[in-house]
Amino acid sequence: GAGVSQTPSNKVTEKGKYVELRCDPISGHTALYWYRQSLGQGPEFLIYFQGTGAADDSGLPNDRFFAVRPEGSVSTLKIQRTERGDSAVYLCASSLGSRSNEQFFGPGTRLTVL
Amino acid sequence: GIQVEQSPPDLILQEGANSTLRCNFSDSVNNLQWFHQNPWGQLINLFYIPSGTKQNGRLSATTVATERYSLLYISSSQTTDSGVYFCAVLGFQKLVFGTGTRLLVSP
Repeated sequence: GAGVSQTPSNKVTEKGKYVELRCDPISGHTALYWYRQSLGQGPEFLIYFQGTGAADDSGLPNDRFFAVRPEGSVSTLKIQRTERGDSAVYLCASSLGSRSNEQFFGPGTRLTVL
Repeated sequence: GIQVEQSPPDLILQEGANSTLRCNFSDSVNNLQWFHQNPWGQLINLFYIPSGTKQNGRLSATTVATERYSLLYISSSQTTDSGVYFCAVLGFQKLVFGTGTRLLVSP
């Protein structure tokens, strides 16, 4: 079946602009996660959704970052007033939730802030 | 929080060689996953292995949860095995990743 999909695959923006990154999880997966990966590092946790609610947003770096999952499927990560330090690959993952916590990742969105 | 360390950081192999990658973690975990990140950046699931041993073709993994380590074995390596291998442990629903082992397999 289809895996996790993310759009866009690449996003170039200017400092101070607003961006939205989209994640479409595997069908039937109730848990959804966002991670951020900087060059040469492992991915770092940002936020976790179980259904529609954010169960853990402790990894969001500051209040410029926000994520939603209004219908319990697709999620959008929103970044306001982008800064050059926000440049990274943003990865989305999903899992079956209570039935299994094995996480499956999408291809990522490479964000470049000029 | 949980600390995850991987070794070695870099590994260069000749095609056909075998290797062992190690992952140490600092606390009890509910889950451990091994991933291969290919040159295009895609994280590919290799193993979901909170304990015990699993095998999949030329790859196998062993996790000894009581001693807080996991090993990934690659046998008869191929050039397509090149990339970065990550170990990640599950703490409170979020995966904590190690810094990875960068593997280069030369023909």
